[in-house]
Amino acid sequence: QQQVKQSPQSLIVQKGGISIINCAYENTAFDYFPWYQQFPGKGPALLIAIRPDVSEKKEGRFTISFNKSAKQFSLHIMDSQPGDSATYFCAASKGAQKLVFGQGTRLTINP
Amino acid sequence: EAGVAQSPRYKIIEKRQSVAFWCNPISGHATLYWYQQILGQGPKLLIQFQNNGVVDDSQLPKDRFSAERLKGVDSTLKIQPAKLEDSAVYLCASSLGNYNEQFFGPGTRLTVL
Repeated sequence: QQQVKQSPQSLIVQKGGISIINCAYENTAFDYFPWYQQFPGKGPALLIAIRPDVSEKKEGRFTISFNKSAKQFSLHIMDSQPGDSATYFCAASKGAQKLVFGQGTRLTINP
Repeated sequence: EAGVAQSPRYKIIEKRQSVAFWCNPISGHATLYWYQQILGQGPKLLIQFQNNGVVDDSQLPKDRFSAERLKGVDSTLKIQPAKLEDSAVYLCASSLGNYNEQFFGPGTRLTVL
């Protein structure tokens, strides 16, 4: 199975709050799990990525939590800011090629 | 460093017409990808090139879609004839190699009427 399921479809968070987006995958051969951020009219841009040998990776306000046994991973955005308002996509692949993307989450941060 | 360039940015055509998109990857990037992103969905890989050879085209509708990367740099994606369901954003991405981060271009938004 190649699917990556992402939830929620849309999310509204107050400024300063924590935004949490979840993804689940089925293919146990996947070993690369990136999160992409996409603004309207732009291509996706890599935000942060994790490999299954660690359970958590943090870069600034962005953290990926990874649960290999549950085949789930999530993105946490701490101290969410209006500039974080965008569509976020999780993805998974073997290596970093042939990415399989989730359906996307439209995040809105209210000031 | 210049990013991935794509043109045109927008294209409107009638169904059954043909259309072509162009991509210029980041200099030195050997791997090039074409993705289709339908409104409200995540990108779906259509084809992957390593230099000028095809690595994966398993999800390319070959009866109407074709792509080439003749000199291992620029690439073109063609649709002939277009269908209504081809309306989407076509994204080009490139990476240093098969196992490196992918950098995306801004995409070409295609509307088929």
